Amino acid sequence: GNSVTQMEGPVTLSEEAFLTINCTYTATGYPSLFWYVQYPGEGLQLLLKATKADDKGSNKGFEATYRKETTSFHLEKGSVQVSDSAVYFCALGTTDSWGKLQFGAGTQVVVTP
Amino acid sequence: EAEVAQSPRYKITEKSQAVAFWCDPISGHATLYWYRQILGQGPELLVQFQDESVVDDSQLPKDRFSAERLKGVDSTLKIQPAELGDSAMYLCASSPTGGRDYEQYFGPGTRLTVT
Repeated sequence: GNSVTQMEGPVTLSEEAFLTINCTYTATGYPSLFWYVQYPGEGLQLLLKATKADDKGSNKGFEATYRKETTSFHLEKGSVQVSDSAVYFCALGTTDSWGKLQFGAGTQVVVTP
Repeated sequence: EAEVAQSPRYKITEKSQAVAFWCDPISGHATLYWYRQILGQGPELLVQFQDESVVDDSQLPKDRFSAERLKGVDSTLKIQPAELGDSAMYLCASSPTGGRDYEQYFGPGTRLTVT
């Protein structure tokens, strides 16, 4: 079956540090890949997505590249801010699932001043 | 900006009681999802509607959970009877249509505590 594995958190960083959150997946067919973010007390919101191999999704300084050969979709940001403190979820959607998303367990990121 | 509405935001109920959650998706969105998020885990799909039809309820515990979207607009998720293990965040999401490439828009969720 489909699955998503993320690095465990919490990840604690100082402001302006480089952030990487690893995400690998197992899926049949050709999934689309997503990063969602959940700020404290809020629902999830889409951060970025990529729908085919070698696509790069980007938003708000975050980037992730769909790597089919390594089945990975790692999230990166060059300089984090305190406001980036949140839980980040990697997810995949497949063509045979009507858009159903398979989520990873989430990675909490804490950015300190 | 259009948002997915959910109510209540918080619910405390006793074991064996009935509880219901309501979701109003973004206007015009044909696809509606109910997810359950246990603390420290990612959301897991419970049920998915395309208009008023269920297209996936494979993970819905049908002995106690039910969901409906009678007119293809808003939706209700019910649990009867509630069990301690049902304590979780229940998230509703919608998208313009089903399919793997479409963004899902999430509501703020209902946090359920069963005592």
